Amino acid sequence: NAGVTQTPKFRVLKTGQSMTLLCAQDMNHEYMYWYRQDPGMGLRLIHYSVGEGTTAKGEVPDGYNVSRLKKQNFLLGLESAAPSQTSVYFCASSRGYQETQYFGPGTRLLVL
Amino acid sequence: AQSVAQPEDQVNVAEGNPLTVKCTYSVSGNPYLFWYVQYPNRGLQFLLKYITGDNLVKGSYGFEAEFNKSQTSFHLKKPSALVSDSALYFCAVRDGGGNKLVFGAGTILRVKS
Repeated sequence: NAGVTQTPKFRVLKTGQSMTLLCAQDMNHEYMYWYRQDPGMGLRLIHYSVGEGTTAKGEVPDGYNVSRLKKQNFLLGLESAAPSQTSVYFCASSRGYQETQYFGPGTRLLVL
Repeated sequence: AQSVAQPEDQVNVAEGNPLTVKCTYSVSGNPYLFWYVQYPNRGLQFLLKYITGDNLVKGSYGFEAEFNKSQTSFHLKKPSALVSDSALYFCAVRDGGGNKLVFGAGTILRVKS
């Protein structure tokens, strides 16, 4: 099993550009999450999904959109990137809300 | 709302000595507590969790953590540190009835030989 995979691994955007980050999991998990990691702030939840076709806002959802059209995939979109969105983005999945979350390797995003 | 505090930005310990990484939490209901480790340029890896039961939880790589309800703490410990334990450690908490996991800011552990 590959676990949780993320693409791309690294991306540079100009302000105003858009992009989509892809997360895929092969563990048949119901729950999926997107976090951002910034120095000294730990991980902050952007959006999450409790099952196929559902999404919900986390702690810092502004400027991001998500979709969960298939159970194994969770997409994070930036419609108009801003320098404040420079960060490392992590996807995670879990069997249920009480279960351990398993993380992908991360995507480094630099917005100029 | 739940919150987590990791009071030390960095912990330094000599190889072979015991280590402790501190974590305190605040939740409105019963806490679900987790420790994760992050190595450079890698994702987070699960170490251990406390849901209920024995206050001393054993996890991966020889780590353990002690749940203390009265002090609202969940400190991570290891009897004998290895240089390879050097990494960034995160404590996280979920309210028993909630969907969301809240992370602390992280503690850098440096083990010197």
